[in-house]
Amino acid sequence: DAGVIQSPRHEVTEMGQEVTLRCKPISGHNSLFWYRQTMMRGLELLIYFNNNVPIDDSGMPEDRFSAKMPNASFSTLKIQPSEPRDSAVYFCASSAQGGNTEAFFGQGTRLTVV
Amino acid sequence: QQQVKQSPQSLIVQKGGISIINCAYENTAFDYFPWYQQFPGKGPALLIAIRPDVSEKKEGRFTISFNKSAKQFSLHIMDSQPGDSATYFCAALYGGSQGNLIFGKGTKLSVKP
Repeated sequence: DAGVIQSPRHEVTEMGQEVTLRCKPISGHNSLFWYRQTMMRGLELLIYFNNNVPIDDSGMPEDRFSAKMPNASFSTLKIQPSEPRDSAVYFCASSAQGGNTEAFFGQGTRLTVV
Repeated sequence: QQQVKQSPQSLIVQKGGISIINCAYENTAFDYFPWYQQFPGKGPALLIAIRPDVSEKKEGRFTISFNKSAKQFSLHIMDSQPGDSATYFCAALYGGSQGNLIFGKGTKLSVKP
């Protein structure tokens, strides 16, 4: 298996534009997590899906952020409109059964909003 | 109380020395405590994990010590090597199999040759 696959690896966009980050979890994993990493705040959980259903989205910072998981092999994180303070590395991770099994992280998407 | 407090923020150790990173938590419902290792440009990867019914777990040069009464746990890296230079995150799980991981802020470890 190729592991968790995220795209794009890097994204530079202008303030106000829509940004969509994509994630393909490891086949057979039923839990998917989106994290945001910054120097100031570390790794923050944004949203957690279990069997394609959002379980906890309390970490989604604002209505500008939305996440979907239309099927077991694909998830998106959308920011609309984007702001400079959204600049961060966004990680997707998947695990076989919730958080108490190993979570495998993707390589991350480095987002820069100018 | 969903926070996990990690210290120090950064750590410099000589090759062959012992690296020690500490974490503390408040929520007694946490029941799984993993450590993740992250190299620059990469995502975090699981290093070692422990459950609260065990006071210590060792895997090679890496040991987790767990103090349930103090609500603290620590990572010890014995015989630290330059290749261990990375950022280390402790984490804690709440919610059982439906739960998700809460991460500490991370410790940047540099092992000098």
